[in-house]
Amino acid sequence: KAGVTQTPRYLIKTRGQQVTLSCSPISGHRSVSWYQQTPGQGLQFLFEYFSETQRNKGNFPGRFSGRQFSNSRSEMNVSTLELGDSALYLCASSFRSGGPDEQFFGPGTRLTVL
Amino acid sequence: EDQVTQSPEALRLQEGESSSLNCSYTVSGLRGLFWYRQDPGKGPEFLFTLYSAGEEKEKERLKATLTKKESFLHITAPKPEDSATYLCAVQARQGGSEKLVFGKGTKLTVNP
Repeated sequence: KAGVTQTPRYLIKTRGQQVTLSCSPISGHRSVSWYQQTPGQGLQFLFEYFSETQRNKGNFPGRFSGRQFSNSRSEMNVSTLELGDSALYLCASSFRSGGPDEQFFGPGTRLTVL
Repeated sequence: EDQVTQSPEALRLQEGESSSLNCSYTVSGLRGLFWYRQDPGKGPEFLFTLYSAGEEKEKERLKATLTKKESFLHITAPKPEDSATYLCAVQARQGGSEKLVFGKGTKLTVNP
């Protein structure tokens, strides 16, 4: 069974630009969660989508948004990039929403903001 | 506020030298505690879920245990391939949203 895939794997952007990241969950999984990982803050929850609806949300500004498509694939968008947005962005899929279900993570997208 | 604290931050072991990693948590109404392993440049890999105090789970050289305030990941006779960062997370409900709250991890290095 194929795992969670994320594209692109690496991105370099400049301040003020916007970026869109993509995540394809494990087949049959309908929940996709997004996380930001930095050396200082560790892994922090951004939001979760289930059946094309945002079900849960972390404490990030509105510049961070997402959506989910009918095939469960999800995209995350960050607008007006700041230097502090440089991080590894991870998505994870699970069968159900809201846990406690084990989540399976993709390899991440490394975003660098210059 | 729900919190997860892992200790130590880093641990160096010789091959075969058993040890334990600690995860202490503060959460209102634990619904699940998770252990993950993360290798450099990769996403976290799921290891265990524990649901209630007294529960134990094992996988190869790893054994996870849970009490009302903390969880331990015991590593028996580790090998160099066990080197990784081990992450602990709890299922929490904050501000009306369900989410996983992660600790900052323990970086384990096993020397041959």
